[in-house]
Amino acid sequence: AQSVTQLDSQVPVFEEAPVELRCNYSSSVSVYLFWYVQYPNQGLQLLLKYLSGSTLVESINGFEAEFNKSQTSFHLRKPSVHISDTAEYFCAVSGGYQKVTFGTGTKLQVIP
Amino acid sequence: DGGITQSPKYLFRKEGQNVTLSCEQNLNHDAMYWYRQDPGQGLRLIYYSQIVNDFQKGDIAEGYSVSREKKESFPLTVTSAQKNPTAFYLCASSIEGARNQPQHFGDGTRLSIL
Repeated sequence: AQSVTQLDSQVPVFEEAPVELRCNYSSSVSVYLFWYVQYPNQGLQLLLKYLSGSTLVESINGFEAEFNKSQTSFHLRKPSVHISDTAEYFCAVSGGYQKVTFGTGTKLQVIP
Repeated sequence: DGGITQSPKYLFRKEGQNVTLSCEQNLNHDAMYWYRQDPGQGLRLIYYSQIVNDFQKGDIAEGYSVSREKKESFPLTVTSAQKNPTAFYLCASSIEGARNQPQHFGDGTRLSIL
């Protein structure tokens, strides 16, 4: 079975400060990893994904995530957050014959 | 533009009533999914369908039913047997069999009890 753990349910951070949202996964097979973002009363939107190759993946709005196989992690980072980054972020894992599994989400609150 | 349309955005259910949530996609995806989202619990899979006229139960199917008569449509019925239906419901679709492809989501339907 596969699983995803997002230990932080809420992360408050001041505007222009760096942030890291943690994601750890468990799986017995090779996995694909995703980060999604959800704004209030909307669906989830894909932020970035790791499929293979370079372990560092980037999004168009300044987020990046690094796949660490030995630590089974896929943490999301941004060096300087903006008010508009306030949202809930979900990590997801897909591998083998199992359906994608989502984490419980981390609410990022950017403080002016 | 291709995408997923969920309707209505808000829905209210009376005691003993069945209600149906609509989900339509024009992405030509074979696979479609219904999730329930409750605060702090992430997304829980209700039902999914990999092909027309076929669907499987997810982790929390009790009290729900679905149909898949057309590739584009995957409606969800919340029956009176679902005793705690208040939640945010999300429909998604993806390319079937491609684990490396992300899911595409609609904007959700918020269901409340009257």
